[in-house]
Amino acid sequence: LAKTTQPISMDSYEGQEVNITCSHNNIATNDYITWYQQFPSQGPRFIIQGYKTKVTNEVASLFIPADRKSSTLSLPRVSLSDTAVYYCLVGLNTGFQKLVFGTGTRLLVSP
Amino acid sequence: KAGVTQTPRYLIKTRGQQVTLSCSPISGHRSVSWYQQTPGQGLQFLFEYFSETQRNKGNFPGRFSGRQFSNSRSEMNVSTLELGDSALYLCASSLDRPGYGYTFGSGTRLTVV
Repeated sequence: LAKTTQPISMDSYEGQEVNITCSHNNIATNDYITWYQQFPSQGPRFIIQGYKTKVTNEVASLFIPADRKSSTLSLPRVSLSDTAVYYCLVGLNTGFQKLVFGTGTRLLVSP
Repeated sequence: KAGVTQTPRYLIKTRGQQVTLSCSPISGHRSVSWYQQTPGQGLQFLFEYFSETQRNKGNFPGRFSGRQFSNSRSEMNVSTLELGDSALYLCASSLDRPGYGYTFGSGTRLTVV
């Protein structure tokens, strides 16, 4: 299972764009990259998933370089409600049915 | 559509007791996984069930067990509770398609006293 490395914490202000980078040097050919968001005392919430290049949905964008050894979650114009822990995971592919969570990145958005 | 439902939301038990937690997955989801979350260890995988069969298991002692019913609902049991079992227990379900995201429930907060 590929190990991921993320910053432990980040600070931002409302309205700014936040980019959280995750390093996954040992990513396998069939691995996807997935990001989850978790609020206190709630289960993680799926944000976005990608395999290569760029993926965008109504919440975030995911940028993956050609070598796939890292990925960047981009949150446009964050608000106070985006304060949460963000987890980067790799390894969701056929036959792989467990998620390995790292320590995540604690994002604090201030007014 | 209804999300993943976990019951109860909160539970207080005494050391040595046993406890059963319940998880109802999203309709149509056949894979159900359980995770334990503690401040010290973070989110850790317990086990995963698919079509009533345990398909994957994490590194937890045998006191932790689970099962899945024919309607995909799942239960998790912890016997001989220890203080260290106090945690948020999360259930997640998925369609079991490659690269498909999991949906988590809100969890059951278990406190062992």
